[in-house]
Amino acid sequence: NAGVMQNPRHLVRRRGQEARLRCSPMKGHSHVYWYRQLPEEGLKFMVYLQKENIIDESGMPKERFSAEFPKEGPSILRIQQVVRGDSAAYFCASSLSDRGGNTIYFGEGSWLTVV
Amino acid sequence: AQSVTQLDSQVPVFEEAPVELRCNYSSSVSVYLFWYVQYPNQGLQLLLKYLSGSTLVESINGFEAEFNKSQTSFHLRKPSVHISDTAEYFCAVSGAGSYQLTFGKGTKLSVIP
Repeated sequence: NAGVMQNPRHLVRRRGQEARLRCSPMKGHSHVYWYRQLPEEGLKFMVYLQKENIIDESGMPKERFSAEFPKEGPSILRIQQVVRGDSAAYFCASSLSDRGGNTIYFGEGSWLTVV
Repeated sequence: AQSVTQLDSQVPVFEEAPVELRCNYSSSVSVYLFWYVQYPNQGLQLLLKYLSGSTLVESINGFEAEFNKSQTSFHLRKPSVHISDTAEYFCAVSGAGSYQLTFGKGTKLSVIP
């Protein structure tokens, strides 16, 4: 039973380019979350999605960042016009339900480096 | 809103010695508590969680954590560590009924042979 799959694992972008990070949740999971881990920091919640819906984007920067979870295919986190401060590890997670206490499974992360 | 404080950023310990990783939280509502482990260049894996009931929870690899409501703590302990326990450990909290996890900054455990 495959876990949460993220790709690419490592991505290098020049300032001003776009970064696209993909996430396939665990089989049977319809709740997807994105978290960002800055150096020497814990993970910070960005966005929670269900199929075709953004449920909570309270942790997402207002500009340049967007996320989607289409009916078919993986969830995508898109960062436009990247800046050095976007360099971080981006973790996708999924769960069977969004009830509190439900186990949230994390992917192995996508490490974005902006040069 | 919740917050989590992990008091030690790094903890070196000799192999087979006991270890305690400290975690304190603040919240205005009832909480669920979690410990996650992150091995180098890997994602987070759930180690154990407290939702309700017995305040002492255990993982399959010998770690345990105790929920102390009066001290708002959820410290992680292991009586005898192994080299393979070297990793970063994150304490996290969610409001009871909430999906959103708030993480501490992590504690890097280094087990010395």
